[in-house]
Amino acid sequence: ETGVTQSPTHLIKTRGQQVTLRCSSQSGHNTVSWYQQALGQGPQFIFQYYREEENGRGNFPPRFSGLQFPNYSSELNVNALELDDSALYLCASSWWSGTGVGEQYFGPGTRLTVT
Amino acid sequence: TQLLEQSPQFLSIQEGENLTVYCNSSSVFSSLQWYRQEPGEGPVLLVTVVTGGEVKKLKRLTFQFGDARKDSSLHITAAQTGDTGLYLCAGHFNDYKLSFGAGTTVTVRA
Repeated sequence: ETGVTQSPTHLIKTRGQQVTLRCSSQSGHNTVSWYQQALGQGPQFIFQYYREEENGRGNFPPRFSGLQFPNYSSELNVNALELDDSALYLCASSWWSGTGVGEQYFGPGTRLTVT
Repeated sequence: TQLLEQSPQFLSIQEGENLTVYCNSSSVFSSLQWYRQEPGEGPVLLVTVVTGGEVKKLKRLTFQFGDARKDSSLHITAAQTGDTGLYLCAGHFNDYKLSFGAGTTVTVRA
């Protein structure tokens, strides 16, 4: 069984640039969620994708967007980067049974630094 | 807005001692999960509890879910240096998203 993988591991961008982060789900999972974790804090929910559509969204502006592909892998795109976007971005995959999201399994994260 | 509060924020103990971490909310959880996270890595799922009053044991770790499903605790017996990490509780409140607490940083000294 393959776990959740994310790429790249680290990334440095300049304010105003755009970034794309990638995630491959654990095999057998059909739902992907993205989280932002600032230093010293717990992860904050950005959004969730199921069947290639956004299934729910946290308190993040529209410049945070995503995609889910037929193989259940996913991308997180952030436009017009701000200094406060510097954080660990986590992807989690799970199985949506139709009655609720099951246990979520996290990837190692992408550390984004905006200068 | 559902809010999870974890306490204490930091905990430093000697190897062999016991410790307890708490997670509280004003809302009822439909399910609650505990994770451990090491620096630069993603959270690793330790346990899921769903039934009020439930107690689960994982080797030296004991997890309790409050009867009203608003609180939970994690107890570690005879802590080891390998138990060092950030312990996060996270809950579902009858919706799709997982809400996390700020975490408890546990340091076990040799």
